[in-house]
Amino acid sequence: SQQGEEDPQALSIQEGENATMNCSYKTSINNLQWYRQNSGRGLVHLILIRSNEREKHSGRLRVTLDTSKKSSSLLITASRAADTASYFCATDETSGSRLTFGEGTQLTVNP
Amino acid sequence: DAGVIQSPRHEVTEMGQEVTLRCKPISGHDYLFWYRQTMMRGLELLIYFNNNVPIDDSGMPEDRFSAKMPNASFSTLKIQPSEPRDSAVYFCASSLAGGEPQHFGDGTRLSIL
Repeated sequence: SQQGEEDPQALSIQEGENATMNCSYKTSINNLQWYRQNSGRGLVHLILIRSNEREKHSGRLRVTLDTSKKSSSLLITASRAADTASYFCATDETSGSRLTFGEGTQLTVNP
Repeated sequence: DAGVIQSPRHEVTEMGQEVTLRCKPISGHDYLFWYRQTMMRGLELLIYFNNNVPIDDSGMPEDRFSAKMPNASFSTLKIQPSEPRDSAVYFCASSLAGGEPQHFGDGTRLSIL
């Protein structure tokens, strides 16, 4: 089964609003990553947060990590129609050298 | 910079035929991953290589699936014989190290009739 579980499965907002997606996982990790997938394309890496970090920013993206709760959140501020995509979290578990992807959140930003 | 290159982008074939998917990773990346994505099962890791050596093929669904990496710049995923349930989008990805960000190709959309 997938390590990461995203919540919600689908999110629909208006342009300009903020979008928050959550990810929970089960085992110890080295880092957690977020990816975006536009329709018909491959996944694109957005941001990586290491297990000893609590928050990270990149442009309009803000990621938090709570290792005690084994959870992470991705916040997209001032959303745009172009942010419409599926967003996946992926964990780098301490026991391996591969990423485990969640099932994704489908974000729709309405103009 | 050239990203991960996959070919073909689309493949439609009849069941029982052999299918070969190809991938050229980013130069200098030591890890290569093959994934399959479907609506029902999401993104599944099939197999991954480190320095051209298969490390974990536990995700390969059946003996009908095989993957090779003859050199650092090329990998293939073969399905023989193909079945309708193999229809999916197959992605190749590469990374500098095992847990580091992966760079994905745009996938091969495979339809088995």
